[in-house]
Amino acid sequence: EPEVTQTPSHQVTQMGQEVILRCVPISNHLYFYWYRQILGQKVEFLVSFYNNEISEKSEIFDDQFSVERPDGSNFTLKIRSTKLEDSAMYFCASILGTSGGQNEQFFGPGTRLTVL
Amino acid sequence: AQKVTQAQTEISVVEKEDVTLDCVYETRDTTYYLFWYKQPPSGELVFLIRRNSFDEQNEISGRYSWNFQKSTSSFNFTITASQVVDSAVYFCALSEQNAGNMLTFGGGTRLMVKP
Repeated sequence: EPEVTQTPSHQVTQMGQEVILRCVPISNHLYFYWYRQILGQKVEFLVSFYNNEISEKSEIFDDQFSVERPDGSNFTLKIRSTKLEDSAMYFCASILGTSGGQNEQFFGPGTRLTVL
Repeated sequence: AQKVTQAQTEISVVEKEDVTLDCVYETRDTTYYLFWYKQPPSGELVFLIRRNSFDEQNEISGRYSWNFQKSTSSFNFTITASQVVDSAVYFCALSEQNAGNMLTFGGGTRLMVKP
């Protein structure tokens, strides 16, 4: 069964460093997402991406964040200068469908980011 | 704006008990979709169910059942004869027709099933 994969599973970085979290969505999916879950809290939407551009983003997704689909398979989330409060689990998700909100989002296993 | 509330932060039951997890949502959209996800201790998000706003039929899948009531904006989840393996955090989520598939999650309910 196809699945969303994410690397690395755990990333430890120093405050102020740049990190890139990588995701490989399911191959024929068209919409891609990043979500964040601070330890013990709810899952929060960060950004959605379609047709090589951002379609929606939340207030959390400020100028420190960027997303990219550098080739036909990878979908990356970059944090330019990490802060302590960026420590969280980051989930990538993808959807096959083209519209409507009815599609099941397939989530990756997550990358746990720890900022020291 | 959409909002999902899971009032129960933590529930503890003994194995074989039935348990209901509550979910109340707010939306202005007439077309929306409701989801439940399970997050076991390993951390991944496991999809359980999706319902659209036009389908209020209750659904049963094995020991799991869901009660969708538009009149009270609720989408409750019941586990019958709970098992230790059901121990996890359960999230209810909402997406709106006009909001590009983004999911708004509730705060989650931690279910602990004791042997």
